[in-house]
Amino acid sequence: GQNIDQPTEMTATEGAIVQINCTYQTSGFNGLFWYQQHAGEAPTFLSYNVLDGLEEKGRFSSFLSRSKGYSYLLLKELQMKDSASYLCASHILTGGGNKLTFGTGTQLKVEL
Amino acid sequence: GAVVSQHPSWVICKSGTSVKIECRSLDFQATTMFWYRQFPKQSLMLMATSNEGSKATYEQGVEKDKFLINHASLTLSTLTVTSAHPEDSSFYICSASFGTEIDTQYFGPGTRLTVL
Repeated sequence: GQNIDQPTEMTATEGAIVQINCTYQTSGFNGLFWYQQHAGEAPTFLSYNVLDGLEEKGRFSSFLSRSKGYSYLLLKELQMKDSASYLCASHILTGGGNKLTFGTGTQLKVEL
Repeated sequence: GAVVSQHPSWVICKSGTSVKIECRSLDFQATTMFWYRQFPKQSLMLMATSNEGSKATYEQGVEKDKFLINHASLTLSTLTVTSAHPEDSSFYICSASFGTEIDTQYFGPGTRLTVL
Protein backbone atom coordinates (compact mmCIF):
# COMPACT_ATOMS: atom_id res chain seq x y z
CA GLY A 1 0.00 0.00 0.00
CA GLN A 2 0.88 3.66 -0.02
CA ASN A 3 1.27 5.69 3.14
CA ILE A 4 2.56 9.24 3.46
CA ASP A 5 2.66 11.18 6.71
CA GLN A 6 3.31 14.83 7.38
CA PRO A 7 2.26 17.14 10.20
CA THR A 8 -1.13 18.77 9.81
CA GLU A 9 -0.20 22.27 10.92
CA MET A 10 2.87 24.32 11.75
CA THR A 11 3.37 27.91 12.84
CA ALA A 12 6.54 29.93 12.44
CA THR A 13 7.71 33.52 12.70
CA GLU A 14 8.55 35.80 9.79
CA GLY A 15 12.27 35.68 9.07
CA ALA A 16 12.75 32.33 10.79
CA ILE A 17 13.51 28.86 9.41
CA VAL A 18 11.02 26.02 9.39
CA GLN A 19 11.42 22.35 8.51
CA ILE A 20 8.45 20.32 7.31
CA ASN A 21 8.94 16.58 7.56
CA CYS A 22 7.44 13.84 5.45
CA THR A 23 7.72 10.09 5.89
CA TYR A 24 6.58 7.63 3.30
CA GLN A 25 6.04 3.94 2.79
CA THR A 26 5.31 3.36 -0.85
CA SER A 27 5.98 0.58 -3.27
CA GLY A 28 7.46 1.45 -6.63
CA PHE A 29 9.01 4.61 -5.18
CA ASN A 30 11.00 6.67 -7.66
CA GLY A 31 11.27 10.10 -6.09
CA LEU A 32 9.69 12.69 -3.81
CA PHE A 33 7.97 15.91 -4.81
CA TRP A 34 7.16 18.97 -2.75
CA TYR A 35 4.39 21.31 -3.82
CA GLN A 36 3.07 24.56 -2.38
CA GLN A 37 -0.67 25.18 -2.46
CA HIS A 38 -2.46 28.36 -1.49
CA ALA A 39 -6.11 28.06 -0.53
CA GLY A 40 -8.37 27.60 -3.53
CA GLU A 41 -5.48 27.35 -5.95
CA ALA A 42 -3.65 24.55 -7.70
CA PRO A 43 -0.37 23.22 -6.33
CA THR A 44 2.83 24.74 -7.63
CA PHE A 45 6.03 22.75 -8.00
CA LEU A 46 8.80 23.34 -5.47
CA SER A 47 11.24 20.44 -5.72
CA TYR A 48 11.80 16.89 -6.82
CA ASN A 49 14.35 14.60 -5.14
CA VAL A 50 15.39 11.32 -6.65
CA LEU A 51 18.79 10.80 -5.02
CA ASP A 52 19.64 10.97 -1.33
CA GLY A 53 20.83 14.29 -0.06
CA LEU A 54 19.98 17.93 0.12
CA GLU A 55 19.02 20.08 -2.85
CA GLU A 56 18.98 23.82 -2.36
CA LYS A 57 16.96 26.22 -4.45
CA GLY A 58 16.96 29.75 -3.14
CA ARG A 59 15.13 30.01 0.17
CA PHE A 60 13.79 26.48 -0.21
CA SER A 61 15.76 23.25 0.23
CA SER A 62 14.60 19.67 0.13
CA PHE A 63 16.21 16.57 1.56
CA LEU A 64 15.65 12.89 0.86
CA SER A 65 16.77 9.69 2.54
CA ARG A 66 15.52 6.71 0.59
CA SER A 67 16.75 4.19 3.14
CA LYS A 68 14.75 5.89 5.89
CA GLY A 69 11.71 6.75 3.80
CA TYR A 70 12.09 10.34 4.91
CA SER A 71 12.13 13.77 3.37
CA TYR A 72 11.95 17.32 4.58
CA LEU A 73 11.35 20.73 3.10
CA LEU A 74 13.35 23.57 4.64
CA LEU A 75 12.14 27.13 4.27
CA LYS A 76 14.51 29.94 5.21
CA GLU A 77 13.92 33.64 5.78
CA LEU A 78 10.21 33.05 6.06
CA GLN A 79 7.89 35.59 4.52
CA MET A 80 4.19 36.12 5.13
CA LYS A 81 3.45 34.94 1.61
CA ASP A 82 4.90 31.53 2.52
CA SER A 83 1.74 30.85 4.51
CA ALA A 84 0.25 27.97 2.54
CA SER A 85 -0.21 24.23 2.52
CA TYR A 86 2.88 22.18 1.64
CA LEU A 87 2.27 18.83 0.06
CA CYS A 88 4.76 16.03 -0.21
CA ALA A 89 4.05 13.51 -2.91
CA SER A 90 5.63 10.18 -3.66
CA HIS A 91 6.39 9.54 -7.30
CA ILE A 92 5.54 5.95 -8.04
CA LEU A 93 6.34 3.90 -11.09
CA THR A 94 3.73 1.31 -11.96
CA GLY A 95 3.19 -1.10 -14.79
CA GLY A 96 0.77 1.36 -16.30
CA GLY A 97 3.05 4.37 -16.06
CA ASN A 98 3.78 6.76 -13.25
CA LYS A 99 1.71 8.66 -10.74
CA LEU A 100 1.87 10.77 -7.63
CA THR A 101 0.50 9.90 -4.21
CA PHE A 102 0.03 12.95 -2.03
CA GLY A 103 0.25 13.37 1.69
CA THR A 104 -2.50 15.31 3.45
CA GLY A 105 -0.45 18.49 3.41
CA THR A 106 1.05 20.66 6.14
CA GLN A 107 -0.67 23.98 6.69
CA LEU A 108 2.05 26.51 7.49
CA LYS A 109 1.13 29.77 9.13
CA VAL A 110 3.75 32.51 9.18
CA GLU A 111 3.24 35.13 11.87
CA LEU A 112 4.83 38.49 12.56
CA GLY B 1 7.05 26.78 -17.12
CA ALA B 2 4.35 24.81 -18.82
CA VAL B 3 0.82 26.18 -18.58
CA VAL B 4 -2.29 24.14 -17.97
CA SER B 5 -5.75 25.68 -18.00
CA GLN B 6 -9.08 24.44 -16.75
CA HIS B 7 -12.57 25.51 -17.65
CA PRO B 8 -14.77 26.40 -15.95
CA SER B 9 -13.04 27.67 -12.84
CA TRP B 10 -16.21 27.14 -10.86
CA VAL B 11 -19.63 25.69 -11.55
CA ILE B 12 -22.85 25.29 -9.60
CA CYS B 13 -25.35 22.73 -10.79
CA LYS B 14 -28.49 20.98 -9.68
CA SER B 15 -28.45 17.44 -8.40
CA GLY B 16 -28.89 14.93 -11.21
CA THR B 17 -27.31 17.01 -13.94
CA SER B 18 -23.99 16.35 -15.67
CA VAL B 19 -21.02 18.69 -15.67
CA LYS B 20 -18.07 18.72 -18.04
CA ILE B 21 -14.69 20.09 -17.02
CA GLU B 22 -11.99 20.78 -19.60
CA CYS B 23 -8.25 20.60 -19.05
CA ARG B 24 -5.89 22.01 -21.66
CA SER B 25 -2.14 22.13 -21.94
CA LEU B 26 -1.49 25.47 -23.60
CA ASP B 27 2.13 25.38 -24.65
CA PHE B 28 3.10 21.74 -24.74
CA GLN B 29 1.78 18.38 -25.80
CA ALA B 30 0.67 16.33 -22.84
CA THR B 31 0.79 12.65 -23.48
CA THR B 32 -0.50 12.00 -19.99
CA MET B 33 -3.10 13.88 -17.98
CA PHE B 34 -4.20 13.22 -14.45
CA TRP B 35 -7.44 14.07 -12.68
CA TYR B 36 -7.51 14.71 -8.95
CA ARG B 37 -10.21 15.53 -6.46
CA GLN B 38 -9.60 17.51 -3.31
CA PHE B 39 -12.08 17.88 -0.48
CA PRO B 40 -11.72 20.78 1.96
CA LYS B 41 -8.58 20.55 4.10
CA GLN B 42 -7.66 17.24 2.54
CA SER B 43 -4.98 16.31 0.09
CA LEU B 44 -5.26 15.60 -3.58
CA MET B 45 -6.65 12.19 -4.40
CA LEU B 46 -5.84 10.79 -7.80
CA MET B 47 -8.99 9.76 -9.63
CA ALA B 48 -7.64 8.61 -12.96
CA THR B 49 -4.80 8.76 -15.41
CA SER B 50 -5.46 9.31 -19.06
CA ASN B 51 -3.24 8.89 -22.06
CA GLU B 52 -4.09 10.42 -25.38
CA GLY B 53 -6.11 8.09 -27.57
CA SER B 54 -6.62 5.37 -24.99
CA LYS B 55 -8.99 4.61 -22.17
CA ALA B 56 -8.36 6.18 -18.80
CA THR B 57 -7.01 4.15 -15.91
CA TYR B 58 -9.14 4.71 -12.83
CA GLU B 59 -7.99 4.44 -9.24
CA GLN B 60 -9.63 1.97 -6.96
CA GLY B 61 -12.97 3.19 -5.70
CA VAL B 62 -13.54 5.69 -8.50
CA GLU B 63 -16.59 4.89 -10.61
CA LYS B 64 -15.67 5.11 -14.25
CA ASP B 65 -19.29 5.29 -15.36
CA LYS B 66 -19.83 8.30 -13.16
CA PHE B 67 -16.61 10.14 -13.94
CA LEU B 68 -16.17 9.95 -17.68
CA ILE B 69 -12.75 10.92 -18.96
CA ASN B 70 -11.92 11.64 -22.57
CA HIS B 71 -8.41 12.47 -23.75
CA ALA B 72 -9.12 13.21 -27.37
CA SER B 73 -5.96 15.11 -28.24
CA LEU B 74 -2.51 15.86 -26.89
CA THR B 75 -3.72 19.16 -25.49
CA LEU B 76 -7.20 18.39 -24.19
CA SER B 77 -8.74 16.09 -21.63
CA THR B 78 -12.27 16.31 -20.29
CA LEU B 79 -13.87 15.03 -17.12
CA THR B 80 -17.64 14.66 -17.08
CA VAL B 81 -19.34 14.18 -13.74
CA THR B 82 -22.56 12.41 -14.63
CA SER B 83 -25.71 12.63 -12.54
CA ALA B 84 -23.94 14.80 -10.00
CA HIS B 85 -24.97 14.70 -6.36
CA PRO B 86 -24.07 16.97 -3.45
CA GLU B 87 -21.38 14.56 -2.28
CA ASP B 88 -19.59 15.16 -5.60
CA SER B 89 -19.05 18.77 -4.61
CA SER B 90 -15.30 19.20 -4.53
CA PHE B 91 -12.28 20.87 -6.06
CA TYR B 92 -11.28 19.05 -9.23
CA ILE B 93 -7.72 19.57 -10.45
CA CYS B 94 -6.07 18.25 -13.56
CA SER B 95 -2.40 17.98 -14.27
CA ALA B 96 -0.40 17.22 -17.36
CA SER B 97 2.99 15.79 -18.02
CA PHE B 98 5.14 15.11 -21.00
CA GLY B 99 4.67 11.47 -20.21
CA THR B 100 8.29 10.47 -20.14
CA GLU B 101 10.16 9.65 -16.95
CA ILE B 102 8.26 12.26 -15.27
CA ASP B 103 9.98 15.07 -13.79
CA THR B 104 7.05 17.28 -13.08
CA GLN B 105 3.32 17.35 -13.36
CA TYR B 106 1.97 20.77 -14.25
CA PHE B 107 -1.29 21.51 -12.49
CA GLY B 108 -4.27 23.41 -13.76
CA PRO B 109 -5.91 26.06 -11.58
CA GLY B 110 -8.72 23.74 -10.53
CA THR B 111 -12.50 23.72 -10.90
CA ARG B 112 -14.74 24.23 -7.89
CA LEU B 113 -17.89 22.14 -8.33
CA THR B 114 -20.90 22.74 -6.11
CA VAL B 115 -23.90 20.48 -6.52
CA LEU B 116 -27.10 21.75 -4.96
